[in-house]
Amino acid sequence: AQSVTQPDIHITVSEGASLELRCNYSYGATPYLFWYVQSPGQGLQLLLKYFSGDTLVQGIKGFEAEFKRSQSSFNLRKPSVHWSDAAEYFCAVGARGGSNYKLTFGKGTLLTVNP
Amino acid sequence: ETGVTQSPTHLIKTRGQQVTLRCSSQSGHNTVSWYQQALGQGPQFIFQYYREEENGRGNFPPRFSGLQFPNYSSELNVNALELDDSALYLCASSSHLEQYFGPGTRLTVT
Repeated sequence: AQSVTQPDIHITVSEGASLELRCNYSYGATPYLFWYVQSPGQGLQLLLKYFSGDTLVQGIKGFEAEFKRSQSSFNLRKPSVHWSDAAEYFCAVGARGGSNYKLTFGKGTLLTVNP
Repeated sequence: ETGVTQSPTHLIKTRGQQVTLRCSSQSGHNTVSWYQQALGQGPQFIFQYYREEENGRGNFPPRFSGLQFPNYSSELNVNALELDDSALYLCASSSHLEQYFGPGTRLTVT
């Protein structure tokens, strides 16, 4: 069965600093990988996705992520964080189980941005 | 294009009661998935509906059930509510590999 680990429960960065959120996955086949962001009391917004091809993927709001098969990782990065980026971030792996296709999520990383 | 919508936004129920949550999928999407997100956790897959049929289920008991209608909207029903059912319930619609989420329904069981 697939699983996702986000090692950092909470990260604090200063506005304007760079950001890297870690994600490790476990899945037997080629994974479909996603990053979602959730603001307090809100649903999940898709930031970016990886299906195949170029291992560096660009997303919305200036985020990017790099797929590294050898490390089973899909880390999220942003060169300069804005105060509005404060939220919870979830990494997910998409996998087929029989006839259905579902997402398995990590437990999330809460990002705090200091002014 | 209308996104995924869910109703109600918040709900308070008593242990043992039954609840129905509703989801309208994004235009053109024929698949709806439901997830439960407990406080401080990532979403967990409950089940998925494709063209009005249940198409896979996570590790949830039978008192969690659902429906999908011809217009691809969906309902999640939970019977015999327990305190641990308190959570944010998220609906996601999709036509391929990307799932788009609604704002969720916050269910509190007292």
